[in-house]
Amino acid sequence: GNSVTQMEGPVTLSEEAFLTINCTYTATGYPSLFWYVQYPGEGLQLLLKATKADDKGSNKGFEATYRKETTSFHLEKGSVQVSDSAVYFCALSENSGAGSYQLTFGKGTKLSVIP
Amino acid sequence: SAVISQKPSRDICQRGTSLTIQCQVDSQVTMMFWYRQQPGQSLTLIATANQGSEATYESGFVIDKFPISRPNLTFSTLTVSNMSPEDSSIYLCSVKDTRQETQYFGPGTRLLVL
Repeated sequence: GNSVTQMEGPVTLSEEAFLTINCTYTATGYPSLFWYVQYPGEGLQLLLKATKADDKGSNKGFEATYRKETTSFHLEKGSVQVSDSAVYFCALSENSGAGSYQLTFGKGTKLSVIP
Repeated sequence: SAVISQKPSRDICQRGTSLTIQCQVDSQVTMMFWYRQQPGQSLTLIATANQGSEATYESGFVIDKFPISRPNLTFSTLTVSNMSPEDSSIYLCSVKDTRQETQYFGPGTRLLVL
C-alpha cells in the first residue's frame, strides 16, 4: 500500500533560517504529491502540490520538487518567519480505481520559528 | 478552490450522546470525505461520501458509529454516535476538486467528550 514518511518533529528554527522538512513516499503507481499546512487551531490548507516527476510546487516562499528517482518531495524555504510556525503534512494521492480516491498523509512535522 | 464550512466549530459533549457535524461547500462536488485527527496525530480517513451512493468506510470505522448523509452535491453530515472520551478529536470535511488532483479541507470541528 501507499505510505508517506516525513521527518520527526518538532523543529525549532530562528527567524530567517533555512528550512528543510524531508518527505519520502511509497506508492504503487504515479501519485500526486502535496504539502498541507495546519496553523494553530485551524484546519488544513493546501500549501503546494506537484502532479508528475520533476514538477516543482511553490507557494509563499516554500518549494518542493517531485523526485521520482528518490521517491521524495522535500519541503524547503530559504528564510522562515515566525508566522510560518505550524504543523506541516506531506501527502500523496492516487486514484485507486472504481471511482475511489485515497489521500495518504505523513504524521506531520511541527515547526516553531522563534524571533 | 472550494470554500468549505463546518458546523459546529467546536463542542463539548457528554459520554453516550451523539453529535451531528455539518459540512457545506460553495460549489457542487462529487467526492466528499470525512477525516479524524486525534490529538497530536495525523489525519485518518473515516469514509468517502459520494452523492447518490452509500458512503464507503475505511477499516476500523463502521456506519453504526459514524453514519453519514450526502443529500446533494454541496452538503454532507457526519454523526458521531454513542460518544466516548476516545472520540475526542478534530473532525474534518474534505472535497476533491474535479478539475484538479487536489483535496481541500474545511476548518474542522473540535470535539471534546467528557
